[in-house]
Amino acid sequence: GNSVTQMEGPVTLSEEAFLTINCTYTATGYPSLFWYVQYPGEGLQLLLKATKADDKGSNKGFEATYRKETTSFHLEKGSVQVSDSAVYFCALTLTNSGYALNFGKGTSLLVTP
Amino acid sequence: EAGVTQFPSHSVIEKGQTVTLRCDPISGHDNLYWYRRVMGKEIKFLLHFVKESKQDESGMPNNRFLAERTGGTYSTLKVQPAELEDSGVYFCASSPTGWSGYTFGSGTRLTVV
Repeated sequence: GNSVTQMEGPVTLSEEAFLTINCTYTATGYPSLFWYVQYPGEGLQLLLKATKADDKGSNKGFEATYRKETTSFHLEKGSVQVSDSAVYFCALTLTNSGYALNFGKGTSLLVTP
Repeated sequence: EAGVTQFPSHSVIEKGQTVTLRCDPISGHDNLYWYRRVMGKEIKFLLHFVKESKQDESGMPNNRFLAERTGGTYSTLKVQPAELEDSGVYFCASSPTGWSGYTFGSGTRLTVV
């Protein structure tokens, strides 16, 4: 079946630190990959996506590269800010699933001043 | 453009009672999805509507859950009777025809006591 595994949190970083949140996947087929973010009190927002191997998604200083050989889609940011504190979800979808998303468990990030 | 609206935002009910969650998608979005996040676990797909028809309801946990989408507009998710394990956050998302990504609502936090 299809599944997503992401690193457990919570992750606590100081402002301006480098962030990596690991995400690996298992899929029958060629999925599209996503990172969603949920800020406190808000809904899920699409952060970035990649639809084929070697694509790099980027937004708000965050990046993730679709690595088919390692079935990974790790999220990175060079310098985090306090405002990046949120829960981050890795997800995949397949066209033959009606675009239903398979999510990881989420990683809580806390950035301290 | 109004986003996806869910209400109530919070609901606390006793075991055995009935609760109805509502989702208003973005106007014109044919696709409507329900997801659920139980504490500490992944966000799980529940079902997918295309207009008023259920395209995929493979994620519905059991027959205590009933989803409807009247006239292809808003959707309701009824839980009857509610059990303790139904506690969690219920998310709704909508998208137009074809794949261009979802817009999620802020979720309804359901607590069954």
